[in-house]
Amino acid sequence: DAKTTQPTSMDCAEGRAANLPCNHSTISGNEYVYWYRQIHSQGPQYIIHGLKNNETNEMASLIITEDRKSSTLILPHATLRDTAVYYCIVRVENYGGSQGNLIFGKGTKLSVKP
Amino acid sequence: DGGITQSPKYLFRKEGQNVTLSCEQNLNHDAMYWYRQDPGQGLRLIYYSQIVNDFQKGDIAEGYSVSREKKESFPLTVTSAQKNPTAFYLCASSIRPKRVGYTFGSGTRLTVV
Repeated sequence: DAKTTQPTSMDCAEGRAANLPCNHSTISGNEYVYWYRQIHSQGPQYIIHGLKNNETNEMASLIITEDRKSSTLILPHATLRDTAVYYCIVRVENYGGSQGNLIFGKGTKLSVKP
Repeated sequence: DGGITQSPKYLFRKEGQNVTLSCEQNLNHDAMYWYRQDPGQGLRLIYYSQIVNDFQKGDIAEGYSVSREKKESFPLTVTSAQKNPTAFYLCASSIRPKRVGYTFGSGTRLTVV
């Protein structure tokens, strides 16, 4: 089962920041937070990941709370093409066993509206 | 350009027939994965392979089989034993097992009639 909780859906106005929350209250010290998104009928696309520090790349920013029990993905200027399902995933970084496999929940369906 | 290719994009089969979905990557990734997605649902792991000639069952392996004879290829066979094969199938790869992000293919939509 997924170890994260996300809202089922969210709306955002085009050009505004989209803030997608994720709860992962049982996260372990060696688990990273990953974000992927899936545009309709396509494969998921990696967005960003982090351990405890905030991270930023060309696509988004990831804000992780100090206790690491929740995080927020920020799309600073949402466009219509950002309409997708966004998945928040926690997983360990190791080289053996199955603990590091990505486990996808149902995600948040973000609708960016004109 | 490097990437992961799934073919075909759409596939129709009669009930009771086995069907093989292709997944090829030229990223030199060690690990490869197969996921299944049903409408409105998240992805569920079918099989994964960390190295050539080795693979492991995921959460829903029953009715499926795989092979990993080459690093670049990880075909999935949907057998007649799979009770509800109609779904969207996604293949992914990663540099090393459990390391960094996965690269996904564009998927194969299988419909069994």
